[in-house]
This record gives sequence, C-alpha cells and structure tokens, in this order.
Amino acid sequence: DAGVIQSPRHEVTEMGQEVTLRCKPISGHDYLFWYRQTMMRGLELLIYFNNNVPIDDSGMPEDRFSAKMPNASFSTLKIQPSEPRDSAVYFCASSLGVLHSPLHFGNGTRLTVT
Amino acid sequence: AQSVTQPDIHITVSEGASLELRCNYSYGATPYLFWYVQSPGQGLQLLLKYFSGDTLVQGIKGFEAEFKRSQSSFNLRKPSVHWSDAAEYFCAVAYNTNAGKSTFGDGTTLTVKP
Repeated sequence: DAGVIQSPRHEVTEMGQEVTLRCKPISGHDYLFWYRQTMMRGLELLIYFNNNVPIDDSGMPEDRFSAKMPNASFSTLKIQPSEPRDSAVYFCASSLGVLHSPLHFGNGTRLTVT
Repeated sequence: AQSVTQPDIHITVSEGASLELRCNYSYGATPYLFWYVQSPGQGLQLLLKYFSGDTLVQGIKGFEAEFKRSQSSFNLRKPSVHWSDAAEYFCAVAYNTNAGKSTFGDGTTLTVKP
C-alpha cells in the first residue's frame, strides 16, 4: 500500500498563474478529500468526492478554485488565477465509505504564490 | 454546529514524563472521535479512534485516549514520552457520517525536552 500520493511536494508560482495539484488516493477508497492548512485558519475541508462525484464543495473559497476527479485513482485541485493568499499546504486524503472510517492523508503540497 | 477545542496550543514535556493532551467537543449526539499526529513536512496520521464500546481506547505508538461523555472530552495520554513524539496533534470529531466530515481542532504542538 503506497498510501495517498500527492504531487508536486512544493510549488512556487507567481500571482496570476494557474496551479494544478494532483492526488492519487489509496486503491479501493471511495471517498477523496481536499484540505488546506494554514497557520491562521488551521485545517479546512475544501471539497470531497464520493465515487468520483463531488458531494460537498462548500469549503471552496471562491470560483478561482476548482476540483475534479475523472476516475477513482486521480484527482486535481486547480487554482486559476492564483493569489498570494492561496499560499498554504494542501492535503489530499482518502477513506473507505463506512461510518467512522478514518482519513488517510498524503504528505501535502506546499504552495507559495509570490 | 460541531466544534472541537484543544485548549493547549503548545505543551513541553521532558522525555520519559507522562503526557495528556486535552480535547473537548460540542454537540449533543454521540460523536466519533479521532486523534491524529502530524510530523513536520508530513500529512496527518491516525493515532486512534472512538465510536462505541469501551471508553478507553488504545492506539499506535503507545497512546491511549478516554472518552468521557459527561465532560465532552476525549483526552490523549501517554505514560512515558519519547523524543520522537514531538509533533503536532489534532483532535477531530464527526457525527453519524463518514469521517471525512470531521471537524478538526486547532492542534497542540508537543515539544519534548531531553
């Protein structure tokens, strides 16, 4: 079990550029989550999918953010255009679709927008 | 709305000393409770969880936690701390739903003195 895989580990970009973060969940997990972690706001749930379908995107900060899950083994989080306040660590997590199933987190992508 | 409070932002203990990290949750229903640990540059890793049964639960790395409904608490304990336990610890709560809708506390950073 390779765990949840995220890429890239670090991303530095200039304001206004498009950023795409990638995630491969654990095989067999049917829920996938995108979180953002900052010092000021802690850990925030942005969006989550069940069987590749977005279930709750109420945490997505604004229209500049979008997420897709084209198949069970891949998801992307896109920011277009990026802004300095988007700088954070973005985590992807997956879980089995049963009650009280814990989350399995990737190692995150540290995004810096200058 | 569900919420989690971790009253201690930062705790320092000596190696070999005992540890207790506090967690309080709000809401009326029976919660699903989790403790996660995050080492620098890593994602969150599940330490233990509670959803029913024995109120004292054992986790990995020698940690345990006790669910006390009367106090709305789920404190994390370890009898003897090791230097490798230095990390950030997060308490999370969910209700009758997949753990992905967990609400996380703000975290407690543990420093271990030699």
